[in-house]
Amino acid sequence: NAGVMQNPRHLVRRRGQEARLRCSPMKGHSHVYWYRQLPEEGLKFMVYLQKENIIDESGMPKERFSAEFPKEGPSILRIQQVVRGDSAAYFCASSLRDSSYEQYFGPGTRLTVT
Amino acid sequence: GENVEQHPSTLSVQEGDSAVIKCTYSDSASNYFPWYKQELGKGPQLIIDIRSNVGEKKDQRIAVTLNKTAKHFSLHITETQPEDSAVYFCAASQGGNQFYFGTGTSLTVIP
Repeated sequence: NAGVMQNPRHLVRRRGQEARLRCSPMKGHSHVYWYRQLPEEGLKFMVYLQKENIIDESGMPKERFSAEFPKEGPSILRIQQVVRGDSAAYFCASSLRDSSYEQYFGPGTRLTVT
Repeated sequence: GENVEQHPSTLSVQEGDSAVIKCTYSDSASNYFPWYKQELGKGPQLIIDIRSNVGEKKDQRIAVTLNKTAKHFSLHITETQPEDSAVYFCAASQGGNQFYFGTGTSLTVIP
């Protein structure tokens, strides 16, 4: 049973470029959450999506960041015009349904902005 | 919003000893409290969780206790082993919603 998959695992971007992070939830899961982890810190919620819907984006920066979870394919977290402060580990989690409590995390994408 | 505090930030124990990590939360509406173990370079792995209608839950060497009145919950690891060394995170949520994480505890088990 495949777990949550994220790619790429490591991503290096120059300032001003775009970063696209992908997340495939566990089989049968239709709820996806994105979290960001800065060095030596805990995980901070960014956005919660269901298929074709953004449910809660209260943790997303107002500019440059966007997320989607299309009907087909993985969820995408997109960061435009990256800056050095965007360097972090980005984790995706999935859950079975909205009444399901457990969230299962992927291995993360480590973004480095040079 | 919810605020989760976690202590200690680092913990060293001798192999075979017990380790205890404590968390407090602020929102009385929170009703689900998972614990995650994160090894270097990996994603958080759910190790145990507890819901607000339960005061204690145990799974082999790991146990979690919850005090709703005081709004705190704790992770207990008994008979620690070197492979228990990792960063442990507590979290709180209202179920089906975002998790609020503590800042993590780096546990080192000394052989």
